[in-house]
Amino acid sequence: DAGVIQSPRHEVTEMGQEVTLRCKPISGHNSLFWYRQTMMRGLELLIYFNNNVPIDDSGMPEDRFSAKMPNASFSTLKIQPSEPRDSAVYFCASSLARSGGENEKLFFGSGTQLSVL
Amino acid sequence: AQSVAQPEDQVNVAEGNPLTVKCTYSVSGNPYLFWYVQYPNRGLQFLLKYITGDNLVKGSYGFEAEFNKSQTSFHLKKPSALVSDSALYFCAVRDPTGPNDYKLSFGAGTTVTVRA
Repeated sequence: DAGVIQSPRHEVTEMGQEVTLRCKPISGHNSLFWYRQTMMRGLELLIYFNNNVPIDDSGMPEDRFSAKMPNASFSTLKIQPSEPRDSAVYFCASSLARSGGENEKLFFGSGTQLSVL
Repeated sequence: AQSVAQPEDQVNVAEGNPLTVKCTYSVSGNPYLFWYVQYPNRGLQFLLKYITGDNLVKGSYGFEAEFNKSQTSFHLKKPSALVSDSALYFCAVRDPTGPNDYKLSFGAGTTVTVRA
């Protein structure tokens, strides 16, 4: 298996522009997470999908952030408009959540390094 | 609420010496505990987990961790460190009985440097 695939690996954009980050989870996984990593705040959970349905988006910083999962093999995280404080590494992770509640371990993608100038 | 504390920002050891990375947790019920490792420019990789059973769990790359309920700790250990173990290590906790049983809370991370 190729693992969790994220694109692009690096994104440099100007303040005010729209940014779209993409993620392909591991085939067969039913849970998908978007995380943001910064030096100041560490790893923050932005949003959690189970079976393509958003379950918890309480970590999404503001309305400028949105995420979708149109099918089991694809998710996007969009920032519109982007701001310099959005600069961070954004990770997508997937796992297999079994009935009964025990999530398996998370598999992380390599991340997208976002720089907003 | 659940949380994890990693009291050391950095740990430096010589190759061949024992390595310990400390972690304490706070959770209302019985915890699920995890260690992940992050190499430069890469995503986090799973090392090991404690769910139930034996307090000493063994994981990838020769790492192990000991669950201590009375001290609410889950320290990561390796008997003989390698230069290739140099990386950023994260402890994480999950409460399987709460309403957010999917949510992992990560510590701030500990940078491990193993010198040759």
